[in-house]
Amino acid sequence: AQSVSQHNHHVILSEAASLELGCNYSYGGTVNLFWYVQYPGQHLQLLLKYFSGDPLVKGIKGFEAEFIKSKFSFNLRKPSVQWSDTAEYFCASFPGANNLFFGTGTRLTVIP
Amino acid sequence: DAGVTQSPTHLIKTRGQQVTLRCSPKSGHDTVSWYQQALGQGPQFIFQYYEEEERQRGNFPDRFSGHQFPNYSSELNVNALLLGDSALYLCASSQGPRNTIYFGEGSWLTVV
Repeated sequence: AQSVSQHNHHVILSEAASLELGCNYSYGGTVNLFWYVQYPGQHLQLLLKYFSGDPLVKGIKGFEAEFIKSKFSFNLRKPSVQWSDTAEYFCASFPGANNLFFGTGTRLTVIP
Repeated sequence: DAGVTQSPTHLIKTRGQQVTLRCSPKSGHDTVSWYQQALGQGPQFIFQYYEEEERQRGNFPDRFSGHQFPNYSSELNVNALLLGDSALYLCASSQGPRNTIYFGEGSWLTVV
């Protein structure tokens, strides 16, 4: 069965700190992976996606993620966070059938 | 170019009642999916509509039903509401069932 797990429920960082949010998926076949962000009071927005090719994916707003097949991981990174990055971050996968499986989310709080 | 629009934004219903939520997809999109996001959880897939037919369904009871109209807009109906149905209901659209999904801001349903 398809599943996605996010280990960190709440992360608190100071501005300019580096960020890494963990995401692991369980699915043996072809997998497509996504990171979505939900700013307070706003809709889910796509940060980046991985379908195939270069395992290091660049997204919007300076975010990137690395697909490591051997570790079943797709961690989200940003070298220097800003206060405006405060949001809920969701990792998601879909096995090509367009029904996204979401993790439980990680709340990021950035302290100015 | 309007994104995915949903109505109503917020509503309160009594246990046992029925509710209808509405969604207009992003311009050019023909596929609509519905997700339920309970507080503190990631979104969970309810079902997907394409070409006016339900194409896929998640693990939700038959009390959850939907419809897609010729103009690609969609409705989500929930009958015999339970307290546990209180959640944010997200509509998402895409151009075809296998392309990038865009989310609306959601409809907050509170069942009392």
